[in-house]
Amino acid sequence: EAAVTQSPRNKVAVTGGKVTLSCNQTNNHNNMYWYRQDTGHGLRLIHYSYGAGSTEKGDIPDGYKASRPSQENFSLILELATPSQTSVYFCASGEGTGGIEQYFGPGTRLTVL
Amino acid sequence: QQQVRQSPQSLTVWEGGTTVLTCSYEDSTFNYFPWYQQFPGEGPALLISILSVSDKKEDGRFTTFFNKREKKLSLHIIDSQPGDSATYFCAASVSNYNVLYFGSGTKLTVEP
Repeated sequence: EAAVTQSPRNKVAVTGGKVTLSCNQTNNHNNMYWYRQDTGHGLRLIHYSYGAGSTEKGDIPDGYKASRPSQENFSLILELATPSQTSVYFCASGEGTGGIEQYFGPGTRLTVL
Repeated sequence: QQQVRQSPQSLTVWEGGTTVLTCSYEDSTFNYFPWYQQFPGEGPALLISILSVSDKKEDGRFTTFFNKREKKLSLHIIDSQPGDSATYFCAASVSNYNVLYFGSGTKLTVEP
């Protein structure tokens, strides 16, 4: 069973529209993350969370909000989507002593027209 | 400022050959260095990792080397197979911190 799932897997949105990407994990990890992946940039951290109710800004938070209503769920919200936010978005959960191991979901391909 | 730099951006090797991927980093407090492997259409998955107290770690055909003085690490894949064709990311972190900094990735193609 996949431990980190994302929905939707593909999304087409219009400029200025609101987009919500959802992530669910069954690993019971405290830490969850949202990344975007673009060619030449690798994985860039948008927001992360240490547990239910917490959200922290990553390296590129502008234009994104995050919500962690429970241990299992972590959402990424684009209030006013722009074409520059067209990308593949990955959610991950993670835990570890002596170095964190992150478990990634399958990704959501978002196209903003 | 990019915390972790990775090269080359892409690489093609013949089946049976040795692949070498390299990364460098800036922050001397980093002490945990994982490598992730990503196949097309999937999320990345942990391949191998090393702590700065070691200079080498092996896992089958995969070996990662760490050079603290030069702030460099590398991933060697011996007897490369077409099934190793994927994108490889190095990353770095402070071991008791929850955030990983990823390199930009190397797309490896192993030709039969």
